[in-house]
Amino acid sequence: SQQGEEDPQALSIQEGENATMNCSYKTSINNLQWYRQNSGRGLVHLILIRSNEREKHSGRLRVTLDTSKKSSSLLITASRAADTASYFCATVNDMRFGAGTRLTVKP
Amino acid sequence: GAGVSQSPSNKVTEKGKDVELRCDPISGHTALYWYRQSLGQGLEFLIYFQGNSAPDKSGLPSDRFSAERTGGSVSTLTIQRTQQEDSAVYLCASSSAGTGLNTEAFFGQGTRLTVV
Repeated sequence: SQQGEEDPQALSIQEGENATMNCSYKTSINNLQWYRQNSGRGLVHLILIRSNEREKHSGRLRVTLDTSKKSSSLLITASRAADTASYFCATVNDMRFGAGTRLTVKP
Repeated sequence: GAGVSQSPSNKVTEKGKDVELRCDPISGHTALYWYRQSLGQGLEFLIYFQGNSAPDKSGLPSDRFSAERTGGSVSTLTIQRTQQEDSAVYLCASSSAGTGLNTEAFFGQGTRLTVV
């Protein structure tokens, strides 16, 4: 069964704009991770946020976690064409992924 | 090795044939995961290994699918009597600890299986 569920399914923005993707999960968690996938192959780990953290930054990435709503968001600031990819979340509890958000950044 | 290695990278097989997909995790990684991804879809969890044991194999879609791991290292996913709906990219990932712990998973580049 899917644990992380991302939305929107697809997002198209212009270079320089910010992109926000959301993730919801079903059960209690300890930590949650975000991954990126280029061209339908292997995923690359982006960032992990612990259940006792509300916000975390890494470069142009900002992740928030709301355990009361069982949701997380990933914000990519000042997007670049190279950010075009699919983005997935997964709880560390069971490493289940959702359908992902397909981000397209137009130059 | 330097990363998770999967072989073959592409496999075309005839309907009804058996196939074996191989995953070489990063050396020392005790946790290993298999996923299936159909075109344009998300990742479907198949099975999780901790060492040579599979505490969670709830994602295997039918009894045609099986997986094993030997020596706490290499894993093989076997699909018997392949069907066209088995066509997908099969991804393997490993991590230095299992589910519930604070470690990232490293993914291989996948095996693209096409059943004709």
